[in-house]
Amino acid sequence: DTGVSQDPRHKITKRGQNVTFRCDPISEHNRLYWYRQTLGQGPEFLTYFQNEAQLEKSRLLSDRFSAERPKGSFSTLEIQRTEQGDSAMYLCASSQGLGETQYFGPGTRLLVL
Amino acid sequence: GENVEQHPSTLSVQEGDSAVIKCTYSDSASNYFPWYKQELGKGPQLIIDIRSNVGEKKDQRIAVTLNKTAKHFSLHITETQPEDSAVYFCAALSGNTPLVFGKGTRLSVIA
Repeated sequence: DTGVSQDPRHKITKRGQNVTFRCDPISEHNRLYWYRQTLGQGPEFLTYFQNEAQLEKSRLLSDRFSAERPKGSFSTLEIQRTEQGDSAMYLCASSQGLGETQYFGPGTRLLVL
Repeated sequence: GENVEQHPSTLSVQEGDSAVIKCTYSDSASNYFPWYKQELGKGPQLIIDIRSNVGEKKDQRIAVTLNKTAKHFSLHITETQPEDSAVYFCAALSGNTPLVFGKGTRLSVIA
């Protein structure tokens, strides 16, 4: 257990529905990252926050994806109008700062039917 | 942007033998190179990392070497055990850019 938690661990949804995932980072970490991992691939960066500021969001896969970290603690990742191609593992990681080790949570596995 | 290539994609070794996984990176400004182990249904777990001011780092049965000139780094696992079986990912980081991962190596340790 790295100290990063994610909820839910699994989510099955129907195409067109919206889903929201939550990540709770290690408490003293000010950087929080979201990644997507598909089968047989390494994690693919989506976005990250320093405290409550979202510093990079150009890698979000489409405008259906959005993320927030309103108080600089937990974060949410929302996917609107889900598509079957969104099926993947969504991983969250946190670090103490720039260039510091990133610790990953257990991930949320999404299946879009 | 950074590109990380990882080889081999699969690796089978006998218990007790050594395993070596190699990665190359493209951005000469990359300065941080972590290795993660991922078991089925779990998130990646950091096992060892190295920064560009160091050529080698060791932690018990695990070691990482870095060749900045050739832009490659390797993971060495000695005296492999069945519980070492997992998917291993290398990654590279340059400044404020995102961590870029290789595609992973599935290691199987045969008892």
